[in-house]
Amino acid sequence: QKEVEQDPGPLSVPEGAIVSLNCTYSNSAFQYFMWYRQYSRKGPELLMYTYSSGNKEDGRFTAQVDKSSKYISLFIRDSQPSDSATYLCAMRAGTALIFGKGTTLSVSS
Amino acid sequence: EADIYQTPRYLVIGTGKKITLECSQTMGHDKMYWYQQDPGMELHLIHYSYGVNSTEKGDLSSESTVSRIRTEHFPLTLESARPSHTSQYLCASSGGLGAGELFFGEGSRLTVL
Repeated sequence: QKEVEQDPGPLSVPEGAIVSLNCTYSNSAFQYFMWYRQYSRKGPELLMYTYSSGNKEDGRFTAQVDKSSKYISLFIRDSQPSDSATYLCAMRAGTALIFGKGTTLSVSS
Repeated sequence: EADIYQTPRYLVIGTGKKITLECSQTMGHDKMYWYQQDPGMELHLIHYSYGVNSTEKGDLSSESTVSRIRTEHFPLTLESARPSHTSQYLCASSGGLGAGELFFGEGSRLTVL
């Protein structure tokens, strides 16, 4: 079993939809949970991170962590064509940062 | 926007050639990393450095080598490239505080014929 599981998609939604992206994990030692966005032919850029459990909101983006279920989510409200990218979850325990495979999202206008 | 730069962005070379992928950052970060990314696969850590003259291998075995002579510079070298080395190589740095989030360069896409 991989430490971090993420459905690669692709996920296609119309503009304005609410998008839910998810990852599950097996290592209960993970403390920091991050979401990166990667546009085609670019490097990943950090969207937001959460420490331990709870929610964090930044504009149209909300990150949720449920440590009891070992499940994290990223919600995108009012999705825009500019949100079309691959979204990678990443988790840290100590010095190691473990990435999911990424979910490819396409938002059509 | 993060100040971390990779060159070349794209490289196509023949088997057996020696190549060096350059990575520089202007943020003064002590920690730097090289990741390998293939389509549909996770990012895999191949090398990291926590400071000058410090380098370690990551969790993915790689025939490449790295050096860290200056804080801002972390080049990756392949002495003899093979088609199996074809991949995207991403350099990243971290200030190490808080979540220790990584700042990535735009990547170097290597194709070995």
